[in-house]
Amino acid sequence: DGGITQSPKYLFRKEGQNVTLSCEQNLNHDAMYWYRQDPGQGLRLIYYSQIVNDFQKGDIAEGYSVSREKKESFPLTVTSAQKNPTAFYLCASSKIGEANEKLFFGSGTQLSVL
Amino acid sequence: GQSLEQPSEVTAVEGAIVQINCTYQTSGFYGLSWYQQHDGGAPTFLSYNALDGLEETGRFSSFLSRSDSYGYLLLQELQMKDSASYFCAVRVGGGSYIPTFGRGTSLIVHP
Repeated sequence: DGGITQSPKYLFRKEGQNVTLSCEQNLNHDAMYWYRQDPGQGLRLIYYSQIVNDFQKGDIAEGYSVSREKKESFPLTVTSAQKNPTAFYLCASSKIGEANEKLFFGSGTQLSVL
Repeated sequence: GQSLEQPSEVTAVEGAIVQINCTYQTSGFYGLSWYQQHDGGAPTFLSYNALDGLEETGRFSSFLSRSDSYGYLLLQELQMKDSASYFCAVRVGGGSYIPTFGRGTSLIVHP
C-alpha cells in the first residue's frame, strides 16, 4: 500500500540536543512538507520541498533544518536553537499539478522535552 | 500573507446538520480545501473548491464564494464518529501549492 510514514511516534529531547524526525513516502509525490501543530494553533508550515535537493522555509523555520536528498525522504531536524520544541509534528506530501493537490499526511510525531 | 478565520468550536447532536464557516484573506487565491483530523491522528482530505458553488460528497458538502472570500463545510446526518477537528486551507500562488491552514474547528457531536 502506498502511503507516508513518520517515525518515531513519540520522541523525547534533552536540553541542548538535536533530534531528527523521519518522513518517508512511496506515493511518488514531488512535494513534501513539515507542519507543526500546537493545541489551538492549527497547522503551521515549517519547511517544504518541491524537488530533490531544494527546499524552502515556511512560516516558522527558525530552529529547524531539513534535507531532501531523495524524492522519497524529507527528514526534519529540531535543533537546540528551537527553544520550545514540544509539539505534534506532521509530515505531508502532494503531487504537483493535480487539480486539487490534496495533501497526504503521516500519522505524526509527538516531540516532548525532558 | 494569508489569514483564515474559522470558529474554534461547534457542537451539535446526532442526526443534525452543522455548517463550519471559513473566511480568508489572501492574494493569488486558487482554491479552498477542507481536512478532518481525529484527536491524535493524521489530517485527511475531505474536499476542494476552486470555483464558486457547492460540491457534494456523500454526507459532506463544501461551498465557496470567491467574491466574498468565504466558504463552508456542511455535514449532514451527523454521527458520533464525525466528532473531530476540521481545518480549512487555502491554495495560493501559481504553479506551486503552498498550503496555509486555519486554526481548526473542533466539532463535538452529542448523542
